[in-house]
Amino acid sequence: GQQVQQSPASLVLQEGENAELQCNFSSTATQLQWFYQSPGGSLVSLLSNPSGTKHTGRLTSTTVTKERRSSLHISSSQTTDSGTYLCAIDYTGANTGKLTFGHGTILRVHP
Amino acid sequence: EAAVTQSPRSKVAVTGGKVTLSCHQTNNHDYMYWYRQDTGHGLRLIHYSYVADSTEKGDIPDGYKASRPSQENFSLILELASLSQTAVYFCASSGLGGYQDTQYFGPGTRLLVL
Repeated sequence: GQQVQQSPASLVLQEGENAELQCNFSSTATQLQWFYQSPGGSLVSLLSNPSGTKHTGRLTSTTVTKERRSSLHISSSQTTDSGTYLCAIDYTGANTGKLTFGHGTILRVHP
Repeated sequence: EAAVTQSPRSKVAVTGGKVTLSCHQTNNHDYMYWYRQDTGHGLRLIHYSYVADSTEKGDIPDGYKASRPSQENFSLILELASLSQTAVYFCASSGLGGYQDTQYFGPGTRLLVL
């Protein structure tokens, strides 16, 4: 079936360092979203970026559709950025919102 | 801000028993989803719905039923709970289900089947 591969599996940073998270997908994606899951388990959408580059706050996502990859760059990391970052893809091409999730990158930011 | 609530927040069930998980959204969203999250499998879609009184199968529907009696409410039903259904269950809603649309998640329900 369709897969979403995320790397690295985990990442440890010192506060202030930048993070680069990768998401690779197996076929054409009509929708791509990045989510943040807190250590307590709550899930929030960070941004949606099926193609091109998008910025929001300290986050920048770049998706290269032809190469089937997306990245999430976190600048000037903070301890509150610690958690799991999930990439999710809609492969259906029918705008159903049916998302396939990667297993995530666990980010730990130390003070 | 979108609001999705789930009940109960945690539950212990016995094998073979019936479990109903409830989800309520106040966002006037058409699309609603049920996911489960397990260690090693990540988040997987069980059922979803894009209109009241209609549900669709997701990627792992076996052993689960869904019910959408109104736009605001979406339930997940385990008729005969099994050990393998121990997981955290998340409900989500979105406005259009489509391109660039954001899914808003509930806080999750932790289900333990013994």
